[in-house]
Amino acid sequence: GAGVSQSPRYKVAKRGQDVALRCDPISGHVSLFWYQQALGQGPEFLTYFQNEAQLDKSGLPSDRFFAERPEGSVSTLKIQRTQQEDSAVYLCASSLAGGDGQPQHFGDGTRLSIL
Amino acid sequence: QKEVEQNSGPLSVPEGAIASLNCTYSDRGSQSFFWYRQYSGKSPELIMSIYSNGDKEDGRFTAQLNKASQYVSLLIRDSQPSDSATYLCAVSRRTNAGKSTFGDGTTLTVKP
Repeated sequence: GAGVSQSPRYKVAKRGQDVALRCDPISGHVSLFWYQQALGQGPEFLTYFQNEAQLDKSGLPSDRFFAERPEGSVSTLKIQRTQQEDSAVYLCASSLAGGDGQPQHFGDGTRLSIL
Repeated sequence: QKEVEQNSGPLSVPEGAIASLNCTYSDRGSQSFFWYRQYSGKSPELIMSIYSNGDKEDGRFTAQLNKASQYVSLLIRDSQPSDSATYLCAVSRRTNAGKSTFGDGTTLTVKP
């Protein structure tokens, strides 16, 4: 596609439920990033993939967060047993290649609200 | 202290004026610097990237980088109401595979 596509755009879940957020990066982009953005703050890094390999997951807040990119294209961020503090906008970004300061192209994000 | 610091604003300038946005960072190993614009409810959109000391101009935008002072700025000339948005500064190390650290952004309002 022309840009990074994320779905759903909005997700409301009850505390304790599991959620799955999808990211479809720009075709041909090797690198894929997930960020969490709280209201009034900048994006915070969660995890990074180069093709299907998850090279950095240092930003994942807890073991309830899990991300995968099994075929090196579409990625899914899964949050188990959601908590209210998980409410945020989850942004996916892709770049042509990592490791060389390439700028990232962002999707419109998924706004997650935990009740 | 955050790794990337920006004045939260709001910064208000009249239409046609120059808007100056500033950012400081703490990681001396940072090598790539980006400015993103984010409209309310939208995703960040890259507007400038800069990698070496000095100025880089692109249309009405000029990015300035001073690695010795760990400082990067964005100047917007002839500001327009459509420039009203939050501007995010981001830095990365090339060895970090492009992982970016963002500031919390400066909100700019351009008044007609």
